[in-house]
Amino acid sequence: DSGVTQTPKHLITATGQRVTLRCSPRSGDLSVYWYQQSLDQGLQFLIQYYNGEERAKGNILERFSAQQFPDLHSELNLSSLELGDSALYFCASSGGLAGLSSYNEQFFGPGTRLTVL
Amino acid sequence: GIQVEQSPPDLILQEGANSTLRCNFSDSVNNLQWFHQNPWGQLINLFYIPSGTKQNGRLSATTVATERYSLLYISSSQTTDSGVYFCAVKGNQFYFGTGTSLTVIP
Repeated sequence: DSGVTQTPKHLITATGQRVTLRCSPRSGDLSVYWYQQSLDQGLQFLIQYYNGEERAKGNILERFSAQQFPDLHSELNLSSLELGDSALYFCASSGGLAGLSSYNEQFFGPGTRLTVL
Repeated sequence: GIQVEQSPPDLILQEGANSTLRCNFSDSVNNLQWFHQNPWGQLINLFYIPSGTKQNGRLSATTVATERYSLLYISSSQTTDSGVYFCAVKGNQFYFGTGTSLTVIP
């Protein structure tokens, strides 16, 4: 168990709908990362938050948005869903204790499997 | 962005065999990790190894940052080693390789 939790584990929805995925980082970690893993695209970095602020942006679509709350949990919002958004969405966290050599080591949650019908 | 290439893409081993997986990256990085994605989809940390050599049981890894590659060694493979092995590097963001799919047969 990595200490990163994600809910829900599975989500089935229809095209055009909106969903919210939730992530709680490891205790003390300040950074949260979101990734999408689909069969044809591999693991793609979407976005990173550090202590509530957006830190880095990857291949995140405009239909997707994220935020990190004061208690450091994060939510990824996916809207106007398309069939191609079906994927495994991972959250990872890092940055527990500054100065440690493993400060940037990421730990992944179990993922949310999204199916868009 | 940084290109991350892993080889071989697929590997089938008899239980007990040894293997070496390679990760090449196209630019300087300050973070490199190896992960194992098991058949249930879970991503498990193997090594955080921006440089040098580390060992953990039957697994070891070496990163030569100046030459932009990392190697993951698996010795005396077991069926539970099956899955996909990814390396990930950090430039301005994290980049994952396409993985090596390992199947260990009894």
